[in-house]
Amino acid sequence: ETGVTQTPRHLVMGMTNKKSLKCEQHLGHNAMYWYKQSAKKPLELMFVYNFKEQTENNSVPSRFSPECPNSSHLFLHLHTLQPEDSALYLCASSQEVIPYEQYFGPGTRLTVT
Amino acid sequence: SQKIEQNSEALNIQEGKTATLTCNYTNYSPAYLQWYRQDPGRGPVFLLLIRENEKEKRKERLKVTFDTTLKQSLFHITASQPADSATYLCALASAEDTGRRALTFGSGTRLQVQP
Repeated sequence: ETGVTQTPRHLVMGMTNKKSLKCEQHLGHNAMYWYKQSAKKPLELMFVYNFKEQTENNSVPSRFSPECPNSSHLFLHLHTLQPEDSALYLCASSQEVIPYEQYFGPGTRLTVT
Repeated sequence: SQKIEQNSEALNIQEGKTATLTCNYTNYSPAYLQWYRQDPGRGPVFLLLIRENEKEKRKERLKVTFDTTLKQSLFHITASQPADSATYLCALASAEDTGRRALTFGSGTRLQVQP
């Protein structure tokens, strides 16, 4: 596989469920990102990891918990979500060089019921 | 507060014409500006980058201009084709943001090229 992959592509979960989103990049990048994209709203940066260390948490509620075991993998653990958390969740990676051109995955369409 | 504005209304043009999309920003001193293309149900794809000290960048049929006085970037697609139909996003980063590896995205403008 090439580029940035995300699984699952679609996820429906209840508010009491626990689920995880997975992202994998095959580009040799050292920075990885989670974004949230809601309808009619701009992409919102959630978390940034650089060499497996979290360098940015953009005031994200604790019901979203990221994990970066190595530079190629990124997870987003979800628990007790709210219906307003329904959105497209995008993973991206970049080289460790300004201007951090983003390479995005296809996203996970999350619906919270 | 910092704000990025892209025309929320779709831009409809005829095949072969030049499409021009606008990105305006306020309360921002961007170090560089990026343009991305996003197709429905897919992640954005990087197209072009322009730095604060550059006026214009070109790549094949694409051209980006950056006017820091007007606080505006224009994105042009010449000889447009139906395959160019997509949503186009601009993204900014200030010198401070680059340390955080943070880009701020606009909401995007949907382009529809009619055959």
